[in-house]
Amino acid sequence: GQQLNQSPQSMFIQEGEDVSMNCTSSSIFNTWLWYKQEPGEGPVLLIALYKAGELTSNGRLTAQFGITRKDSFLNISASIPSDVGIYFCAGLTQGGSEKLVFGKGTKLTVNP
Amino acid sequence: DGGITQSPKYLFRKEGQNVTLSCEQNLNHDAMYWYRQDPGQGLRLIYYSQIVNDFQKGDIAEGYSVSREKKESFPLTVTSAQKNPTAFYLCASSIEAGGGETQYFGPGTRLLVL
Repeated sequence: GQQLNQSPQSMFIQEGEDVSMNCTSSSIFNTWLWYKQEPGEGPVLLIALYKAGELTSNGRLTAQFGITRKDSFLNISASIPSDVGIYFCAGLTQGGSEKLVFGKGTKLTVNP
Repeated sequence: DGGITQSPKYLFRKEGQNVTLSCEQNLNHDAMYWYRQDPGQGLRLIYYSQIVNDFQKGDIAEGYSVSREKKESFPLTVTSAQKNPTAFYLCASSIEAGGGETQYFGPGTRLLVL
């Protein structure tokens, strides 16, 4: 089945630092999604990417849809304590019975 | 406010019991989904429904059942056949399935087996 390899598994950073995480796959996806999940809550959509090569920003967050359609990255600039949480990438194929494939998440800890 | 609601937030089950988790959405979305999340794991798809009165098994459907009698509602029953039901359960919806549409998640229900 399709799998997404998300890295790193966890990150411990100081407030103010920039963060980068990525997802790769051997399969092609037509949509890449990035979610953030806080403890005991459901994932919240951060950025959706629909086109190969697309670079999209949402405040301090920037994500790109890889040109090969097999990867995506998420950058967070100037991290703040409220950025803590688990960040998930998810890939979506188009057509037929559609299923999201999730990475295992990157757990981010920001030290003030 | 439009959104997805799940209830209850926490649910305790005795071994051998069936329990039903509620998921309601008022987003007028056609497609709804149930995922299971275990610590350190990504989300795994249990069941999904593309339209009312239709649903399909996901990757880990054994021990679970669903119904989709109304567009707004997609309840999940965890049966006694599910051997390891303790997990965080997430419901999601999207405008339609098969169109590359983004899925939006509810707040989740944590199920604990006593």
